[in-house]
Amino acid sequence: DAMVIQNPRYQVTQFGKPVTLSCSQTLNHNVMYWYQQKSSQAPKLLFHYYDKDFNNEADTPDNFQSRRPNTSFCFLDIRSPGLGDAAMYLCATSRRDRRANIQYFGAGTRLSVL
Amino acid sequence: AQSVSQHNHHVILSEAASLELGCNYSYGGTVNLFWYVQYPGQHLQLLLKYFSGDPLVKGIKGFEAEFIKSKFSFNLRKPSVQWSDTAEYFCAVNYMNSGGYQKVTFGTGTKLQVIP
Repeated sequence: DAMVIQNPRYQVTQFGKPVTLSCSQTLNHNVMYWYQQKSSQAPKLLFHYYDKDFNNEADTPDNFQSRRPNTSFCFLDIRSPGLGDAAMYLCATSRRDRRANIQYFGAGTRLSVL
Repeated sequence: AQSVSQHNHHVILSEAASLELGCNYSYGGTVNLFWYVQYPGQHLQLLLKYFSGDPLVKGIKGFEAEFIKSKFSFNLRKPSVQWSDTAEYFCAVNYMNSGGYQKVTFGTGTKLQVIP
């Protein structure tokens, strides 16, 4: 019944070692988002895709990249993780709707950087 | 940048107590408002939403929220909490940014702990 699936749930990487987080959806939504959430902070939008149209937030570091090979999948690549990148990474989807964005979230991937 | 403020970071209540969580936002244009809930070990899920019409909206599990435009507020309420309401609650505001995209800004969240 899961609609937005994130893998893995927990990821441990080494300082500077590239890591990829994945997100898939069964909702056929055309908008997909990646958020970073640190403890006791609001989810912070990193970027989103409207279909294949990539939209980067102005303050998202270059270290973070994303790929969306098709409607169902979206990847977050962290090229050289630093200690400050340890966080929960949330994927969300929504329809492209003029009214409002109801976002459906995955369970998140908790990234640890050693 | 638009902001969403949740004044209470951690709330502890006994079962059957009444709940009100504050949420204020800074955007002056048309907004849509949401409360999301994250139960322990689970993903964020929609609790209720306001688009237009009656400013008092009802959501799942007996929650309601009132949109007061003049106060830029969207407070969450529940008359009688249960232990199963223990969770983190996030207020979120959807608005159209200058680039013509719908954006959502989240508050920092309120952790609710209900004591049996």
